[in-house]
Amino acid sequence: DAMVIQNPRYQVTQFGKPVTLSCSQTLNHNVMYWYQQKSSQAPKLLFHYYDKDFNNEADTPDNFQSRRPNTSFCFLDIRSPGLGDAAMYLCATSRDPWDNEQFFGPGTRLTVL
Amino acid sequence: EDKVVQSPLSLVVHEGDTVTLNCSYEVTNFRSLLWYKQEKKAPTFLFMLTSSGIEKKSGRLSSILDKKELFSILNITATQTGDSAVYLCAVEKSNTDKLIFGTGTRLQVFP
Repeated sequence: DAMVIQNPRYQVTQFGKPVTLSCSQTLNHNVMYWYQQKSSQAPKLLFHYYDKDFNNEADTPDNFQSRRPNTSFCFLDIRSPGLGDAAMYLCATSRDPWDNEQFFGPGTRLTVL
Repeated sequence: EDKVVQSPLSLVVHEGDTVTLNCSYEVTNFRSLLWYKQEKKAPTFLFMLTSSGIEKKSGRLSSILDKKELFSILNITATQTGDSAVYLCAVEKSNTDKLIFGTGTRLQVFP
C-alpha cells in the first residue's frame, strides 16, 4: 500500500544532543512537509520541500534543519534539542503544492530529557 | 494576520447525539477549507471545501462552507464512541502550499 512512513515512532534524546527524524513515502509525491505539533495545539508547519526546493517558514528556528536526498526520503534534524522542542513531529506529502490533500505519516513523538 | 478559529474547544456528548463543530477564518487569498480528524496519530483527511453552499457528505459526517460569512461547520449525526477525536480545520491560501490550522475541537463521545 502506498503510504507515508515515519521512523522512529518514539524518540527520546538528551538536552542538546542532536537528533534526526526520518520520513519516507511510497506515493511518489513531489512535496514533503514537516510539522511540529505540541499538546492541544494545531500542527505548525516548519518547512517543506517541493522536489529539491527547500522552503523554510519564517518563524522556524535555526535549530531545525531538513534534508531531502531523494524523492522518497526527507529528514528532520534538530541540532541542539531543547526542552521546548518536545512534541509530535508529523511528516506529510502532497502530489503538488497546489494539491489540496496532504497525506500524513503517523508521527514521531520526541521527548527531550 | 491570518487566523482560523474553531469552537467549541471541547465537546462531550452521548452516543447517538448530533454535534456541530464550527470553524471561522480570516485569511487573505482563501483557496479552500479542509477538515481533518486526529486521533492518537496523525490527522486523517475528511473534507475539502472550495465552493460556498455546497454540502459535502460522507456517511454520518457532512460539512458546508459559507464564504460570505467566512465559516464552515462539520456535522456528525448519530455519534459513536469511535468519533472521539480532535477535529481540525485548516485553510489553504491560494498561490501557496501553506495550510493554516485551527487549534481543533476535542470531541468525546460516551456510551
